[in-house]
Amino acid sequence: SQQGEEDPQALSIQEGENATMNCSYKTSINNLQWYRQNSGRGLVHLILIRSNEREKHSGRLRVTLDTSKKSSSLLITASRAADTASYFCATPRGSARQLTFGSGTQLTVLP
Amino acid sequence: NAGVTQTPKFQVLKTGQSMTLQCAQDMNHEYMSWYRQDPGMGLRLIHYSVGAGITDQGEVPNGYNVSRSTTEDFPLRLLSAAPSQTSVYFCASSLESSGNTIYFGEGSWLTVV
Repeated sequence: SQQGEEDPQALSIQEGENATMNCSYKTSINNLQWYRQNSGRGLVHLILIRSNEREKHSGRLRVTLDTSKKSSSLLITASRAADTASYFCATPRGSARQLTFGSGTQLTVLP
Repeated sequence: NAGVTQTPKFQVLKTGQSMTLQCAQDMNHEYMSWYRQDPGMGLRLIHYSVGAGITDQGEVPNGYNVSRSTTEDFPLRLLSAAPSQTSVYFCASSLESSGNTIYFGEGSWLTVV
C-alpha cells in the first residue's frame, strides 16, 4: 500500500503562475521528501523536511508540513516550462531505511 | 562521480526468459535499492540492501532476486520473466534511506512479451 498520495494527479498552468501540489500520508513520519521526475528520466531529490519543521524553502520551492493533518504541500513559484515534470512525495517506511512514494502529480507548464 | 549507473536502458524479453539488470554506484553508499514504476502506481520497492552481503525484500519482491557481493554493485535478476514484470526499473543508492538524499539511476525500460 502507498503511504503518500499526491493531489492533484495532473496540473496544467501558464508560465509565471504558481503551482501547488499536495501530499497526504497515513502514519507518523520523521521526515518527508519531494522528488521530481522528468519524462524518461530518473527521480531527482528536491527537498527534505523534517517532522519538527513546518516550512522550508529552496530557491523557488516552498514546502510545508502539517503533521497534525498528515499532509505536506509543495509550492513552485514563478513556474517555467522547464518545471514540467512529475513530482512525488516520499516518506520513510518500515525500519526507516526504505521510502514509500506516492503516485505523483504531473505538472505541465505552458509557455 | 558517475553516480548511479543502470544497464541496459531498454530490453525486450520473451515470457520465461531470465535476465539481469545491472546497477553500479561510485559514491561508496551503503544503501542500495531497486524500484519498479508502473503507470499511476508511483514507485514500489522490490529489494534493498544496507551493505555488502546483506539484502532484504521490499514491497513487491516476487519474481526477483538480488545479491550484494560488493558495495558498488547491486544486480537485479528476473528469474522467469512474466508480462506482469513489464515496467520501468530504477536503481537507487544513498548513505542511508531515511534523512539523506537518494540518488536514482536513469531507469531501465523492460518489456516482456
